[in-house]
Amino acid sequence: DAEITQSPRHKITETGRQVTLACHQTWNHNNMFWYRQDLGHGLRLIHYSYGVHDTNKGEVSDGYSVSRSNTEDLPLTLESAASSQTSVYFCASSDASPGYEQYFGPGTRLTVT
Amino acid sequence: KQEVTQIPAALSVPEGENLVLNCSFTDSAIYNLQWFRQDPGKGLTSLLLIQSSQREQTSGRLNASLDKSSGRSTLYIAASQPGDSATYLCAVTEGTYKYIFGTGTRLKVLA
Repeated sequence: DAEITQSPRHKITETGRQVTLACHQTWNHNNMFWYRQDLGHGLRLIHYSYGVHDTNKGEVSDGYSVSRSNTEDLPLTLESAASSQTSVYFCASSDASPGYEQYFGPGTRLTVT
Repeated sequence: KQEVTQIPAALSVPEGENLVLNCSFTDSAIYNLQWFRQDPGKGLTSLLLIQSSQREQTSGRLNASLDKSSGRSTLYIAASQPGDSATYLCAVTEGTYKYIFGTGTRLKVLA
């Protein structure tokens, strides 16, 4: 069955370190998204991609970057981790049609100390 | 700027009740609306997707309706069960594939 996987599921890191969160989907979807979920803010879009070599900034992109070298993967990098980036991170994917239904990964809980 | 609101933020009901969860959005020019379920510590599970040309979708005990002109959607859960306890999120897209999420309704069904 097609799925989206995220790794690691839990991560503790120190302020200032570079961290990369992996997202891998086997749906063969063109569209991939990264969100963060925080109490009181709901899900907020960090970055998204509509295809290989395409990346776009979402509403909370400062301090994060992504790259898309193939259809299946969209890794999220925190260039220099900050305590404000402690959150739960979700990856999602969708196809271009017929309704853009989004499928989510299980999430990565990141703690920056 | 599109904003999505879900009221109430939390709801407790006894088992067996039929219930309605509400989702409202400020800009009616949406492409589709999707309802999700999220269990504690888990990811989001898609429940129903309603495209802009549709008025409702049904899956088992769930029925979602969409009224674009009034900027509202409802998720109806029939004969609620303790296993329905979760947070329910709605999200809309305006045709750019990006979704804008509400903050969710936390549902507790009491046995």
